[in-house]
Amino acid sequence: KQEVTQIPAALSVPEGENLVLNCSFTDSAIYNLQWFRQDPGKGLTSLLLIQSSQREQTSGRLNASLDKSSGRSTLYIAASQPGDSATYLCAVPGGGKLIFGQGTELSVKP
Amino acid sequence: EAGVAQSPRYKIIEKRQSVAFWCNPISGHATLYWYQQILGQGPKLLIQFQNNGVVDDSQLPKDRFSAERLKGVDSTLKIQPAKLEDSAVYLCASSPRGSGSTDTQYFGPGTRLTVL
Repeated sequence: KQEVTQIPAALSVPEGENLVLNCSFTDSAIYNLQWFRQDPGKGLTSLLLIQSSQREQTSGRLNASLDKSSGRSTLYIAASQPGDSATYLCAVPGGGKLIFGQGTELSVKP
Repeated sequence: EAGVAQSPRYKIIEKRQSVAFWCNPISGHATLYWYQQILGQGPKLLIQFQNNGVVDDSQLPKDRFSAERLKGVDSTLKIQPAKLEDSAVYLCASSPRGSGSTDTQYFGPGTRLTVL
C-alpha cells in the first residue's frame, strides 16, 4: 500500500531564503509525482508534475526533483517571497487514484 | 476557461442532519473526483466518476455518503446523517481523460463543512 509522507509539517523562513520541502513515498513503482499548492480556504493548484522517466522539472523559482529508487522528491523554492506562503502537498498515483502527503505549511516572513 | 465550480463554499450543520454539495467540472472533462480533506491532512479520495459511471468508491462510507454524476457532467455529494467526524473540506476535481494516474487534476475551491 502506497504511503506518502512530508516533513516538516510546518516551516517558517525569512523572505529571500532558498528552501527545500521533502516528500517520501513507500512504493517506488510510480508513473509520476505531482506537487500542489493550497492557499487557505482554497482548492489545490498543480505546480509541477514529474514523469517517472524524468529527474526534475522547473517552473520559475520552483524546481522539483524525483529519485524513484530512494522514494523521495524535493521541491526547491528559490528566493522565497511572502506570496509563497501556503501549504504544499505532494501526491503520487496509487491504485488508480492520487495518494497525498499531509502537506508542509510554509510561512515566509517579510 | 472556467475552472471547477463548487457550492456552497461553507456549511454548518448539526450532527444527524443532512447536507449536499454540488460540483460543476471543467467543460469536457471526462473524470470527476470527490475528496475529503480533514484539517492537517492531505485529501483522501472518496469517489471517482468517469463520465456518469463510478470507477472507484472504495473509500466512500456508503452507509451515510452517496454521490451521483448527472448526465456525466455535474455531480452532487450527499451526507445523511452527518457525524462530527465528517467536519472537513470537500474538494471536487476533474481531469480531461480517464486515468487518475497520469492526468492532471484541476481542483475546485472546496466546501468547508462544520458539523456541530
